Amino acid sequence: TQLLEQSPQFLSIQEGENLTVYCNSSSVFSSLQWYRQEPGEGPVLLVTVVTGGEVKKLKRLTFQFGDARKDSSLHITAAQPGDTGLYLCAGKAAAGNKLTFGGGTRVLVKP
Amino acid sequence: NAGVTQTPKFRVLKTGQSMTLLCAQDMNHEYMYWYRQDPGMGLRLIHYSVGEGTTAKGEVPDGYNVSRLKKQNFLLGLESAAPSQTSVYFCASSYRPAAPPWDTEAFFGQGTRLTVV
Repeated sequence: TQLLEQSPQFLSIQEGENLTVYCNSSSVFSSLQWYRQEPGEGPVLLVTVVTGGEVKKLKRLTFQFGDARKDSSLHITAAQPGDTGLYLCAGKAAAGNKLTFGGGTRVLVKP
Repeated sequence: NAGVTQTPKFRVLKTGQSMTLLCAQDMNHEYMYWYRQDPGMGLRLIHYSVGEGTTAKGEVPDGYNVSRLKKQNFLLGLESAAPSQTSVYFCASSYRPAAPPWDTEAFFGQGTRLTVV
């Protein structure tokens, strides 16, 4: 079983501050996805990274895939209350069609 | 476009009762998944299907069965519910890419909150 560990589990910051969420594994993944989930809803895809060392930017969000494709990070610049939610990383192994999720990081951005 | 629809949205069962959760998608996706979400544990894969008539076990399959008789539907059954199966259940679907990159977005339903007492 390939495990994905996210840290921290919970993050509370003030509006305007920056934050970074980490997703780590001892296994290699062919790709890493980041999802955001709001209360009462299912997760929604934010980004997919597929190449080791890849960096993708989505407005104030920056996603990085580790060189060895075992870890990833999500950085939010100047966080806003609308960024509040549960952030989940999900990895897919090279073989098979299973998407394995991390435990999630709950982010609270206070106005 | 409805996307992925789960029914019911809420259910309370007594220990030992059985029930079936229905997932329907209208995007013609080949892949479908059932996950359970518990506090602090993210989403854990129960069973999944890579096409009509096929199913496979995920991380936590015990106590659950699934069927994919039609491409658009994926059913999750609990034969004898236990309190440990109290959770929020999510269905997801994704399409099978014809070319790289091989990784596609999973679309999720809104979840079914199940309580077993």
